[in-house]
Amino acid sequence: AQSVTQLGSHVSVSEGALVLLRCNYSSSVPPYLFWYVQYPNQGLQLLLKYTSAATLVKGINGFEAEFKKSETSFHLTKPSAHMSDAAEYFCAVSYYGNNRLAFGKGNQVVVIP
Amino acid sequence: DVKVTQSSRYLVKRTGEKVFLECVQDMDHENMFWYRQDPGLGLRLIYFSYDVKMKEKGDIPEGYSVSREKKERFSLILESASTNQTSMYLCASSQARDSNQPQHFGDGTRLSIL
Repeated sequence: AQSVTQLGSHVSVSEGALVLLRCNYSSSVPPYLFWYVQYPNQGLQLLLKYTSAATLVKGINGFEAEFKKSETSFHLTKPSAHMSDAAEYFCAVSYYGNNRLAFGKGNQVVVIP
Repeated sequence: DVKVTQSSRYLVKRTGEKVFLECVQDMDHENMFWYRQDPGLGLRLIYFSYDVKMKEKGDIPEGYSVSREKKERFSLILESASTNQTSMYLCASSQARDSNQPQHFGDGTRLSIL
């Protein structure tokens, strides 16, 4: 079964510092990978997706992620954190080749002024 | 823009009641999904549907059922609500069965069972 691991449920980052959220997947076939963001009292919004076209994927709000097959990873980064980046972030992998998604447990990001 | 609308943002019900959560999407998507979200557990798939009148069990279907009579509407039913079903419920839709299509989410229904 495909699964996703996100370490560290809460991540604190200083305003202006690098944001790094780690995602590792397990998959027996080439995966499709997604990062979603959830702001308080809202649903999930797509940040970016990897669909094998390019290993470095740029998303919205200055985020990007790099697919590394050798490390089975799809880590999310943003060079400089902003207060508005405070939210919960979920990594997901497509599941059984039929658009089912398996989600990680999420990272709650806190931005410190 | 895709719009997924969940009928209620907050809902309070009593143990044993039959509860209906409604979800409507306006983009003619084939696929629809129901998740529940609990702190520290992420999103867990309850049921999904690839077409009208079709449904498939997800990872945690016990205590729930679903209905899809029209393409745009997907209902989640708690047959006899229990306190352990207090949670945030999220509905999602996607365009096709291709693995690379993202799911689009509603704003969620926070359900409390007393």
